[in-house]
Amino acid sequence: DADVTQTPRNRITKTGKRIMLECSQTKGHDRMYWYRQDPGLGLRLIYYSFDVKDINKGEISDGYSVSRQAQAKFSLSLESAIPNQTALYFCATSDFEGNQPQHFGDGTRLSIL
Amino acid sequence: AQKITQTQPGMFVQEKEAVTLDCTYDTSDQSYGLFWYKQPSSGEMIFLIYQGSYDEQNATEGRYSLNFQKARKSANLVISASQLGDSAMYFCAMREGRTDSWGKLQFGAGTQVVVTP
Repeated sequence: DADVTQTPRNRITKTGKRIMLECSQTKGHDRMYWYRQDPGLGLRLIYYSFDVKDINKGEISDGYSVSRQAQAKFSLSLESAIPNQTALYFCATSDFEGNQPQHFGDGTRLSIL
Repeated sequence: AQKITQTQPGMFVQEKEAVTLDCTYDTSDQSYGLFWYKQPSSGEMIFLIYQGSYDEQNATEGRYSLNFQKARKSANLVISASQLGDSAMYFCAMREGRTDSWGKLQFGAGTQVVVTP
């Protein structure tokens, strides 16, 4: 089983719908992140959480919200989806040590029509 | 302001040759870390190599090495003896050392590498 699991893997939905992307991890890491990837822009940080009681906005948090339900679970919501939120979304986790890499899920490909 | 710059949008390399992917970064922190990730066409992000700002030697991991030039703020990835499976998008990322940035990665736009037979 994957260490960082994202569901769903693919989603097509309509403008205005509420969408939740879920992430769960078995790595035991306290730190979890949500990124979006757009062509030519690399990955940009949406929200991050350093523990269950800690939620922080990233570079592009407008239009998104998150919930850290447990150490192992971090979900991303689009309250009212719009077409320019069409992107590849990644969840990642990391240990607190600075030299440790972030571990990524396989991504959720989201299309908003 | 862009913190990580990858100036090569794409490049072709012949199998068995070495390729260098450029990455420059911008930070005023003394403590920071640099990471390279590979993204094949299947989409997953694969960690390749890490270089800490205080590391005296350039990092190496198998066929991957990092040419770290601190004064020039560059951290170029070198892939030796390219293989067809190296065809992918490659991202450079930085973790700054400030407490409020600790753990957060900033990514460059990526370089698409195509390895040809």
